[in-house]
Amino acid sequence: NAGVTQTPKFQVLKTGQSMTLQCAQDMNHNSMYWYRQDPGMGLRLIYYSASEGTTDKGEVPNGYNVSRLNKREFSLRLESAAPSQTSVYFCASSVFGRAPGELFFGEGSRLTVL
Amino acid sequence: KNEVEQSPQNLTAQEGEFITINCSYSVGISALHWLQQHPGGGIVSLFMLSSGKKKHGRLIATINIQEKHSSLHITASHPRDSAVYICAAISYNTDKLIFGTGTRLQVFP
Repeated sequence: NAGVTQTPKFQVLKTGQSMTLQCAQDMNHNSMYWYRQDPGMGLRLIYYSASEGTTDKGEVPNGYNVSRLNKREFSLRLESAAPSQTSVYFCASSVFGRAPGELFFGEGSRLTVL
Repeated sequence: KNEVEQSPQNLTAQEGEFITINCSYSVGISALHWLQQHPGGGIVSLFMLSSGKKKHGRLIATINIQEKHSSLHITASHPRDSAVYICAAISYNTDKLIFGTGTRLQVFP
């Protein structure tokens, strides 16, 4: 079992460029999440998906779009990257619910926007 | 003031010491997670608890709902325990996870 797999692990973008972070889980989990982690701050929820075909905004959704392609995959898109989006991004999954059970995290994607 | 506060922010210990990391929260919660973030950046779930105490190996997590406080204890600490420990509370009203900023632990041989 790979668990939660995120790609890419590192990316450097110029302001205004677009990119997609990919996330896949092989645990048959219903719920998937995208978080960002910034120095001195806790993890903050960007978007959440309770099941295939549904997505919901978290605390900091501005500048991002998501797509729950199927039960396994949940992608995060930056349409026009800004320096404020420089961060480490984590995808996570859990068995059920917006109030999650045990959480499984990907290894993180470090994004720098110049 | 953050809704979930951890203390201390940084902690150093000698191998073998007993470690305590504290988490206080100001909102009503349904449960609380303890997570471990390795130096390489990966995050793993250690415990989810809504009452009482849980134990796994050398790790013990406790929660006191009335006092809005949880602790993570590490017995006989080891250099491989060096990591950032994060508590995350599940808000009873919103079902959202609210994360603390983490406690960085370094255990020296």
